[in-house]
Amino acid sequence: AQSVTQLGSHVSVSEGALVLLRCNYSSSVPPYLFWYVQYPNQGLQLLLKYTSAATLVKGINGFEAEFKKSETSFHLTKPSAHMSDAAEYFCAVSENGSNYQLIWGAGTKLIIKP
Amino acid sequence: DTAVSQTPKYLVTQMGNDKSIKCEQNLGHDTMYWYKQDSKKFLKIMFSYNNKELIINETVPNRFSPKSPDKAHLNLHINSLELGDSAVYFCASSQDVSETGELFFGEGSRLTVL
Repeated sequence: AQSVTQLGSHVSVSEGALVLLRCNYSSSVPPYLFWYVQYPNQGLQLLLKYTSAATLVKGINGFEAEFKKSETSFHLTKPSAHMSDAAEYFCAVSENGSNYQLIWGAGTKLIIKP
Repeated sequence: DTAVSQTPKYLVTQMGNDKSIKCEQNLGHDTMYWYKQDSKKFLKIMFSYNNKELIINETVPNRFSPKSPDKAHLNLHINSLELGDSAVYFCASSQDVSETGELFFGEGSRLTVL
């Protein structure tokens, strides 16, 4: 069965520092992987997705994620954090590419320190 | 113009009451969803409709009844509200259910049951 684990319910970084949000998944077949962001009092929006093309995926707002099959990971990074990056980040996986069979991680709250 | 809009944004009501949440999307998408996000930010799909037809109904009490009058609208009616129904309910849409695309979320409807 598929599952998604996001390590760390809260991650705190200083403005300008590297952002690293971790996501590990379990899947019996090559998965489709997603990162979504939820700003306060808003709905989720797609940051980036991996659908079996390039393993390094670039998304919006300077974020990128690398699919590592050997580590079953899809960690999200950004070289330099901005205050506006403060939000909740969700990793999701789908084995068959179906939108209604997305399995969601529990989310990681990113806190940016001035 | 808001792509996916939900009303009301906030709803406070007593146990035992019946309430409805409305959702409309102006993206021309074929598929719409209802998600429940609990107090720990955990996201769980409740229903999915494709072209007004129910295609997935997760383990949800039958007090919850979705209705899709047309493919641009998906409403959620909840009977006999319970304390555990308190959550944020998100409506979302996608171009198609089988294509791994982007989910577009509304801003959420925060339901508080007293």
